Amino acid sequence: AQTVTQSQPEMSVQEAETVTLSCTYDTSESDYYLFWYKQPPSRQMILVIRQEAYKQQNATENRFSVNFQKAAKSFSLKISDSQLGDAAMYFCAYRRSDNDMRFGAGTRLTVKP
Amino acid sequence: EAQVTQNPRYLITVTGKKLTVTCSQNMNHEYMSWYRQDPGLGLRQIYYSMNVEVTDKGDVPEGYKVSRKEKRNFPLILESPSPNQTSLYFCASSLSVLATYGYTFGSGTRLTVV
Repeated sequence: AQTVTQSQPEMSVQEAETVTLSCTYDTSESDYYLFWYKQPPSRQMILVIRQEAYKQQNATENRFSVNFQKAAKSFSLKISDSQLGDAAMYFCAYRRSDNDMRFGAGTRLTVKP
Repeated sequence: EAQVTQNPRYLITVTGKKLTVTCSQNMNHEYMSWYRQDPGLGLRQIYYSMNVEVTDKGDVPEGYKVSRKEKRNFPLILESPSPNQTSLYFCASSLSVLATYGYTFGSGTRLTVV
């Protein structure tokens, strides 16, 4: 079974600074998708960004961007100009075409004012 | 508004008392899934459904049942809850099983079994 590993249980960042959350995954597939979800204290799961494995270009959504290294099976999330509202649990997830989504254990991000 | 509606939001029950957590989506999604979230373990899949009357086990199905009689509804049933089923539960849906589609999640159900 595919596994997703988030090696940082907790991270903290100063407001307005940049932080990178790490994610690695294990797969033998070549066609798949990767996702980052944000879970604020409200518990709602919010899609932050998505990356198609066949695309070389890293996905970007406003202050959120990814560093996708397919050969290394690495998918890190960079948050620029961190804001207090970015404080949340972040989950990395993997999904291949005919299967369910696999999640990492999560990284809790604290933003210090 | 396109959404997944999950109820109840909080539930405290006693060991052995049957309960149902409801999940309904209004997006005509084919694929629906139940996850449980536990600290340090992330989200683990309990059951999923690729379409009406088609359900299958995920990674942690023991102690749970599901049904998919209508496309929009996918209830999670705990016939005889035990304390180790205390967890945060999420229902999720996507247009199809194709990986291009991420999930839309319900707002979660915090279940405590005493």
